[in-house]
Amino acid sequence: QSALTQPASVSGSPGQSITISCTGTSSDVGSYNLVSWYQQHPGTAPKLIIFEATKRPSGVPNRFSGSKSGNTASLTISGLQAEDEADYYCCSHAGSYIYVVFGGGTKLTVL
Amino acid sequence: QVQLQESGPGLLKPSETLSLTCTVSGGSISSYYWSWIRQPPGNTLEWIGYLTPSGTTKSNPSLESRVTISVDTSMNQFSLKLTSVTAADTAIYYCAKIKTGGASWDYWGQGTLVTVSA
Repeated sequence: QSALTQPASVSGSPGQSITISCTGTSSDVGSYNLVSWYQQHPGTAPKLIIFEATKRPSGVPNRFSGSKSGNTASLTISGLQAEDEADYYCCSHAGSYIYVVFGGGTKLTVL
Repeated sequence: QVQLQESGPGLLKPSETLSLTCTVSGGSISSYYWSWIRQPPGNTLEWIGYLTPSGTTKSNPSLESRVTISVDTSMNQFSLKLTSVTAADTAIYYCAKIKTGGASWDYWGQGTLVTVSA
């Protein structure tokens, strides 16, 4: 069981918007804005798409957005495209001892 | 553009020591923080440990007793040793650069599959 809870799967049609939640505790998500999201296509390394809860690295389309409220962070993908079909993982800083915890991952299917 | 490449044996027997090296190009290893992260097949990611620019290290408490992370600045490489491996250590092992600000990784190696099997 992962430290952060994500839905196992979500789906949406091209052009629609979807949101993936990432629920932690007051010791991780609730205490730090250091939440990141990763996109992973089969057989490839994870790719950073959101850092510090809401920021996008250069080159990541603005269709991807992050937010956080209390112990839950969220990733929203608007204007779904076929290439968005992938696994998505959230990660949160959890203090100097544990450092980070990951979510179990969410499989996004574009119908 | 920072690039990372993992190297090392892909098959180990139980109780052996896993040894992997990450070669960094496009950036000085002494300028950033670096990590090892692993992903068992079909499973989520697990942080193994990190290396600071000054050469200090920190490991995941769940693996700390078996993990050593070291650096070779002359070769612009850092390494991972994990002792007494079991089948539970079978995973894709990634080296990655920690993004300035902390707790996220902006550059990753392609990953290397390490299988532990008798």
